[in-house]
Amino acid sequence: QQPVQSPQAVILREGEDAVINCSSSKALYSVHWYRQKHGEAPVFLMILLKGGEQKGHDKISASFNEKKQQSSLYLTASQLSYSGTYFCGTFNAGGTSYGKLTFGQGTILTVHP
Amino acid sequence: KAGVTQTPRYLIKTRGQQVTLSCSPISGHRSVSWYQQTPGQGLQFLFEYFSETQRNKGNFPGRFSGRQFSNSRSEMNVSTLELGDSALYLCASSPLQESNSPLHFGNGTRLTVT
Repeated sequence: QQPVQSPQAVILREGEDAVINCSSSKALYSVHWYRQKHGEAPVFLMILLKGGEQKGHDKISASFNEKKQQSSLYLTASQLSYSGTYFCGTFNAGGTSYGKLTFGQGTILTVHP
Repeated sequence: KAGVTQTPRYLIKTRGQQVTLSCSPISGHRSVSWYQQTPGQGLQFLFEYFSETQRNKGNFPGRFSGRQFSNSRSEMNVSTLELGDSALYLCASSPLQESNSPLHFGNGTRLTVT
C-alpha cells in the first residue's frame, strides 16, 4: 500500500537535473510531494490532483499520470538548497483511506558545488 | 501565523513506561495527523483526527492511542513502551485533510526508549 519511490538516492552537481518517481499499486486521488532537510520537519512542495496535471514551484515541477498511478518530480538546474529527502505521499481512492496520506520511503538528494 | 507546535522536543523513557505527546495545530486547522518516522520504516501513518473524531488509523498496536480536543489540539499516548518505539513522532495539521489539502508538520518529538 505504501507508494514506491525511485531512485533511493541521487547525487548531483549544482546545475544538473534530476527526476524522482513515485508509483502506487492503488488508484489515487492525489499525490503530494514534500522535502525534509536533516533535523527538520517535512515541508510541503506541491499537490497533484487527478487529471494528469503538471504543477511547478520555481524550478521544481511534477506530473501525475492517473492511469499509471505514477507521479514524477522534476528538479531542474539544481541548487545546493535542493539537498534533502524527498517524499511522495498518496491519497488512495476509496472510503477506507479517508484522511490518510501514505508516504513513500523517500529519496535522498545530495547536491554538491 | 504560528506553525504547528509539538511538545516536548525530546523524551527519554524506559521500557514499560507510558508517554504522552502534545501537538498544537495551526490556528484554524481542524485536522491533525500523527506519523512515526524511523530510518528503517520512513514515515508511517499513526492516526488522523478531525473535529475530535478519529477518521483513520494506521497499522499500529493498540498501545498507540490519541485524541483531539475541542480546540483542535491533539495528544498521542504510547503505553507499555518498547525499544522499537524509539522514533521521531511528527504531528501535521491541515484545514481539512482532504486529498487537495497540504500538511503542515511540526518539528517533532524525538522519543528514545531505553
